[in-house]
Amino acid sequence: TAGITQAPTSQILAAGRSMTLRCTQDMRHNAMYWYRQDLGLGLRLIHYSNTAGTTGKGEVPDGYSVSRANTDDFPLTLASAVPSQTSVYFCASSAGTSANEQFFGPGTRLTVL
Amino acid sequence: GQNIDQPTEMTATEGAIVQINCTYQTSGFNGLFWYQQHAGEAPTFLSYNVLDGLEEKGRFSSFLSRSKGYSYLLLKELQMKDSASYLCAVRDGSGNTGKLIFGQGTTLQVKP
Repeated sequence: TAGITQAPTSQILAAGRSMTLRCTQDMRHNAMYWYRQDLGLGLRLIHYSNTAGTTGKGEVPDGYSVSRANTDDFPLTLASAVPSQTSVYFCASSAGTSANEQFFGPGTRLTVL
Repeated sequence: GQNIDQPTEMTATEGAIVQINCTYQTSGFNGLFWYQQHAGEAPTFLSYNVLDGLEEKGRFSSFLSRSKGYSYLLLKELQMKDSASYLCAVRDGSGNTGKLIFGQGTTLQVKP
């Protein structure tokens, strides 16, 4: 069972370039989330989706966009990367918004130079 | 505002008991979660409390007091593999979302 997969595992990106981080889950979970994790700041929610076709903003949405065309996929796009977006990005999913557990993907380590 | 506080680092001895505290001030509350995260890995779910009291699961227990905005994670019979970061998170109670607000995490080092 794959659970949640993320791609790429790591990436070095030039400032100003665009990039899409991919996230796919095979658990048929309705809700999906994107977090970034930075030293000393913990995990912060970027965007979320309660169900396919809907998205919402989290704590730190600026500079990021998401789409949820189907249940399984929840890509995160950086339109024009900046060095402050250097971080580890985690995708997560849960069965529903009231589910008691969020399952996390393995993460993508992104460095913006 | 939203604020979740937990100690940055803790050290304990193998076989001992350690308590990791978490205090929170959030605009809404719909449950408190504890996650474990080993270095370089993804967080994994440990426990969930929505009512006051103690939830026990093997060597791990979690306590919640909603009136005090306080929780703790208790780890018994510590093992070397328990060296990890422990993340406290509160689920946002406003609206129908599963959004979690995380503390910065407590790095626990277990020594022989």
